[in-house]
This record gives sequence, structure tokens and C-alpha cells, in this order.
Amino acid sequence: GAVVSQHPSWVICKSGTSVKIECRSLDFQATTMFWYRQFPKQSLMLMATSNEGSKATYEQGVEKDKFLINHASLTLSTLTVTSAHPEDSSFYICSARDRRTGEGRPYNEQFFGPGTRLTVL
Amino acid sequence: QKEVEQNSGPLSVPEGAIASLNCTYSDRGSQSFFWYRQYSGKSPELIMFIYSNGDKEDGRFTAQLNKASQYVSLLIRDSQPSDSATYLCAVGRDAGNNRKLIWGLGTSLAVNP
Repeated sequence: GAVVSQHPSWVICKSGTSVKIECRSLDFQATTMFWYRQFPKQSLMLMATSNEGSKATYEQGVEKDKFLINHASLTLSTLTVTSAHPEDSSFYICSARDRRTGEGRPYNEQFFGPGTRLTVL
Repeated sequence: QKEVEQNSGPLSVPEGAIASLNCTYSDRGSQSFFWYRQYSGKSPELIMFIYSNGDKEDGRFTAQLNKASQYVSLLIRDSQPSDSATYLCAVGRDAGNNRKLIWGLGTSLAVNP
């Protein structure tokens, strides 16, 4: 159980184009999803927290107009990188928190998707 | 002071030895504590979580928590080359407005055959 998928697993695009990444919880409902970015040999950096049906909360320094997040249902969140540039090339990872948390599992437990590797040329 | 601190390593241990990974945190209101493992190029996977002071064992892994000292550790017994990865410590509050995980930068572990 607690499987999270991401699509696509990798994408190469030209500078100036927009890229959409999907994050789905396959066997549970996620009240909250998180979007992280990780540059090579660096740690996870939380970009934003996404709650179903409401606006995402962005971390300091993350441009909300550049990284558009939509959490339209309890099983799907999307991250759109608008007008991507080479410096946006990174490993983007989503995670999800199970709404049933409390049934023996910690509230803050996050289940991670496999990640999307974005390369902007 | 970082909110969650880990020694970046690399920590190198021989196969079969005990690997000890340490993490300190600054928020005394933290309630849940996690260890995730991340292989190069992959996303993190949960190894263990711990709530209460003391030890929690799961197979070759033991998590230890000391809230008074704001310290959480992970012991890996009988280390295997497949344990070579980056280990991420994450700390969170289970109530209130700031219910997100705070992540350490990770400790790189190398288990040498």
C-alpha cells in the first residue's frame, strides 16, 4: 500500500517552454502533497505544500508564478514549471500524506513518488 | 543553527560492522522523527519512525530518541554494501499550524566489502 506515482519520470525540454509533472497517490487519499527539488549531491529542498481544494503554500524563495501547483483531487497534484530555463534543471520529487494517518501511523509520514528528472536545454 | 543537523560524512564502515548515524534538532515541540534512505538518483524511502524516548528496533535497524538532548540516531547492525546510501533525518510536529517535516542534509554511508 501507500504507492505514489509521478509522470513523467524524465523530461527534456527547450528553454522557455512549460513542463507539467503529475503526482498521484494510487491506493490512498492524500489530503496533503509536497513538492521537493533536489540538485545533484544536495539535499531535498521543500518547494511547496499542497492541500486538496486550496492554494498551495510556497516556501520562502520559491516563485509561485513560476512553479504552479494544482491539487484538484485527493489523489492528484500537478506541478507546472513555467518558462523553464536551464537553471530549473533538477530532480523534482513529490510526496503525499495519507488522510487516514492516525491509525497507528505518524501524522507526518510522507510517501514519496519516484521523482521526475527535468533537463532544460 | 540549522533546525535539523546531520554529519554529512561520508561515513565509511566495513561490511558486517555497526553503522551509527546521528541527528540533532532544535525544535523542542517536535513529536515525530523519521529516518529515510535515499539511493543515488532515487527518491527517499522510509526506514523507520519513532515517537517516544528510547529505542525502537526493526530488523537490523534501531532508532534511538532522546528528547531531552534533542537527539535521534539510527544504528545499522551487520552493515551490508547495499546499505550504502544517504540517510536523511526528518523531524515534525503532529499538531498546530506548522505540520511539515524539517529535513537534515543527510549523511552519506559507504559500506565497504
